[in-house]
Amino acid sequence: DADVTQTPRNRITKTGKRIMLECSQTKGHDRMYWYRQDPGLGLRLIYYSFDVKDINKGEISDGYSVSRQAQAKFSLSLESAIPNQTALYFCATSDPGGSQETQYFGPGTRLLVL
Amino acid sequence: TQLLEQSPQFLSIQEGENLTVYCNSSSVFSSLQWYRQEPGEGPVLLVTVVTGGEVKKLKRLTFQFGDARKDSSLHITAAQPGDTGLYLCAGTTGGSNYKLTFGKGTLLTVNP
Repeated sequence: DADVTQTPRNRITKTGKRIMLECSQTKGHDRMYWYRQDPGLGLRLIYYSFDVKDINKGEISDGYSVSRQAQAKFSLSLESAIPNQTALYFCATSDPGGSQETQYFGPGTRLLVL
Repeated sequence: TQLLEQSPQFLSIQEGENLTVYCNSSSVFSSLQWYRQEPGEGPVLLVTVVTGGEVKKLKRLTFQFGDARKDSSLHITAAQPGDTGLYLCAGTTGGSNYKLTFGKGTLLTVNP
């Protein structure tokens, strides 16, 4: 079984709808991240959480919110989806390791906002 | 904001050829990582370099961290179709507030 899972894997929604993307991990890591990937723009950090009580904005948090329900679960919400939020979304996890810290990524959720 | 510039953005070569991908910044990083991403999957870590001038080898892949810790390169010898994928460099300034800054990636296609 995969260590980092994301649901759904694909989602089509309409402008203005609220949607939630979910991430679960079995690695026992404290740190979790949400990124979006757009062609030609690489991976950009949306939100991150270093433990259950910690939530931090990344470089592109506008239009998104997150919830860290447990150590193993970190969900991303789009309160009112818009077409330019069409992208590939990745969840990642890590444990503190200084400069050797490794992030483990899920398989991604492909989101299309019409 | 620290930026990582990767070049080239796209690279299409024949099996057996050598190639080098570059990752450059005006900022100093405490470490640089290289990831490979295949279609339909998330990025997977290949290597982490932490010391200026460091060279690491992973089979046919050679990674180098610049002396000033502002740049890195990935060299692939005798590329194979299985090397096809998106190569991403990512840097961190370290400390307790650990975050990665990613480059935009190099999409490599190795044709048989």
